[in-house]
Amino acid sequence: AQSVTQPDIHITVSEGASLELRCNYSYGATPYLFWYVQSPGQGLQLLLKYFSGDTLVQGIKGFEAEFKRSQSSFNLRKPSVHWSDAAEYFCAVGGTGGFKTIFGAGTRLFVKA
Amino acid sequence: DGGITQSPKYLFRKEGQNVTLSCEQNLNHDAMYWYRQDPGQGLRLIYYSQIVNDFQKGDIAEGYSVSREKKESFPLTVTSAQKNPTAFYLCASKGGETQYFGPGTRLLVL
Repeated sequence: AQSVTQPDIHITVSEGASLELRCNYSYGATPYLFWYVQSPGQGLQLLLKYFSGDTLVQGIKGFEAEFKRSQSSFNLRKPSVHWSDAAEYFCAVGGTGGFKTIFGAGTRLFVKA
Repeated sequence: DGGITQSPKYLFRKEGQNVTLSCEQNLNHDAMYWYRQDPGQGLRLIYYSQIVNDFQKGDIAEGYSVSREKKESFPLTVTSAQKNPTAFYLCASKGGETQYFGPGTRLLVL
């Protein structure tokens, strides 16, 4: 069955510290992978996506993610977190010709001064 | 500006009342989606439409209905049969393999 797991419900990091949000997926075919960010009361904004090619993907707002097929993972990273990064982050997986995208439950990021 | 609009931002429903949430896109996307979001539960798919005049039930379709008469529009009706409608509702459209989201509508019950 297709699924996405975000093991951390919430994470707290200090401003200026590095960040890594974990995402593991289960998908029978070649996956298309996404990270979205949601601020409170807002819709989801696409941060980055991976379809093929270079397994290290750069996104907006200084985020990057690395696809590791052997680990079925697509972790999101940022070298230095800003207070404005506090939000909920969703990992998602889709596939060629599929009309559904499967979303993880989300990880809420708190940033402390 | 291309994008997805949802209205209203807040909607109040009285018991026994049907209410309709609007979703419009000018991205020329064929596929559109409705999700429900509750705290701590991520996104759950209500209905989706791959093309005009066609739509399919998602995982939690009971108590909801949709129509897709125009490519740009995919309204969602929350019927009186939906006993727990309080939630944040998100509309999305799909271009290529990527879904793009509207700003959401928060539905509250009076």
